[in-house]
Amino acid sequence: DQQVKQNSPSLSVQEGRISILNCDYTNSMFDYFLWYKKYPAEGPTFLISISSIKDKNEDGRFTVFLNKSAKHLSLHIVPSQPGDSAVYFCAASWGGSARQLTFGSGTQLTVLP
Amino acid sequence: DVKVTQSSRYLVKRTGEKVFLECVQDMDHENMFWYRQDPGLGLRLIYFSYDVKMKEKGDIPEGYSVSREKKERFSLILESASTNQTSMYLCASTRGGNTGELFFGEGSRLTVL
Repeated sequence: DQQVKQNSPSLSVQEGRISILNCDYTNSMFDYFLWYKKYPAEGPTFLISISSIKDKNEDGRFTVFLNKSAKHLSLHIVPSQPGDSAVYFCAASWGGSARQLTFGSGTQLTVLP
Repeated sequence: DVKVTQSSRYLVKRTGEKVFLECVQDMDHENMFWYRQDPGLGLRLIYFSYDVKMKEKGDIPEGYSVSREKKERFSLILESASTNQTSMYLCASTRGGNTGELFFGEGSRLTVL
């Protein structure tokens, strides 16, 4: 039973346009959400996070939105660049514990030049 | 910069062999993790350690054991490798009390024949 779901295995976007990656969760105890980015042959790297007390967090070109009532979060990348092509994992935790971190299955983003 | 180093990037082993995967971090982090990454399944936690000699089972511990004799080193052991353990193995670390911003190694791609 996947508690964190990324229903789109892949997404292609033109360079300069917006990329929107989506993630749904089922466990209402989750209170902290993260996005990781992974290039081939490298480990994932932390990208951006959001606490459940907020509904938006921005960091440069990256914005994460959280809709608690819908149990949905999304990552917006504007403008998209070819170097953003990677697998993006969303993850969720609860109780302030990294031990409780649960990952989604990932979305492969391809930004076309 | 935080560095998490995994000793082997690529391994090929035979069914029944004992396999050691080593991970070293240089940031004095209390918490260390072993995950496996499989297509469509995301990252799944195998084992977690929150201190020297302390460990907790993750979501998929069957067929694996771990060792943490020093704070900086966390080893994953496959006592008798099987073909269904062919996977990408990722080590991660973070400081105590962290909600999920993990630092990952580059991964070890294990193939069991």
